[in-house]
Amino acid sequence: EVQLVQSGAEVKKPGESLKISCKGSGYSFTTYWIGWVRQMPGKGLEWMGIIYPGDSDTRYSLSFQGQVTISADRSTSAAYLQWNSLKASDTAMYYCVRLAGGYSGVDHWGQGTLVTVSS
Amino acid sequence: QSALTQPASVSGSPGQSITISCTGTSSDVGDYNYVSWYQQHPGKAPRLMIYDVSNRPSGVSNRFSGSKSGNTASLTISGLQAEDEADYYCKSYTSRSTPSWVFGGGTKLTVL
Repeated sequence: EVQLVQSGAEVKKPGESLKISCKGSGYSFTTYWIGWVRQMPGKGLEWMGIIYPGDSDTRYSLSFQGQVTISADRSTSAAYLQWNSLKASDTAMYYCVRLAGGYSGVDHWGQGTLVTVSS
Repeated sequence: QSALTQPASVSGSPGQSITISCTGTSSDVGDYNYVSWYQQHPGKAPRLMIYDVSNRPSGVSNRFSGSKSGNTASLTISGLQAEDEADYYCKSYTSRSTPSWVFGGGTKLTVL
């Protein structure tokens, strides 16, 4: 069974750094793209970026380029989303997703990590 | 502003059928048969309901069906049940952005 298990909820202050994780299991982690999707409170779904763990090819949405860093560790089958300096506007639920082969898009979702940034 | 346009809300009574539309352009919905639909209950992660316009993953009820005409894709839910009340998002492959998929803004389905 394919599973994406994300790290737990975080409460941070503005200006702090953060790295959240997503561990894949039940499939070959290095041969599927992993993506990160943001959902702000009461809002819709937004692509942040994607990474291919096999070679760490990473592509960011224009809105998130330079704002976050996406990485992956093949040895632990984990993907990461990192901020160097959080803002209150980063408060949101963050989902990692697996992209099915080809052009179909997302076939599995992690359970989500809630990030709250407040002074 | 989302790249794909969905109605903000739809509603129906138990047992009825409803359809949610998802309108894009010739750069996404109109040119590719890679439209997916996701169901999201409050506080839960989205769940894949339809992929590649009209295919259902294993475990999804056959009350859910998808179709496409021109630049508009549709999700139809027949025999509405209380458990269908949720937010629904469409997503399409696109040649215009990175990553190469765009979401709709979401539709709140209320079962009356």
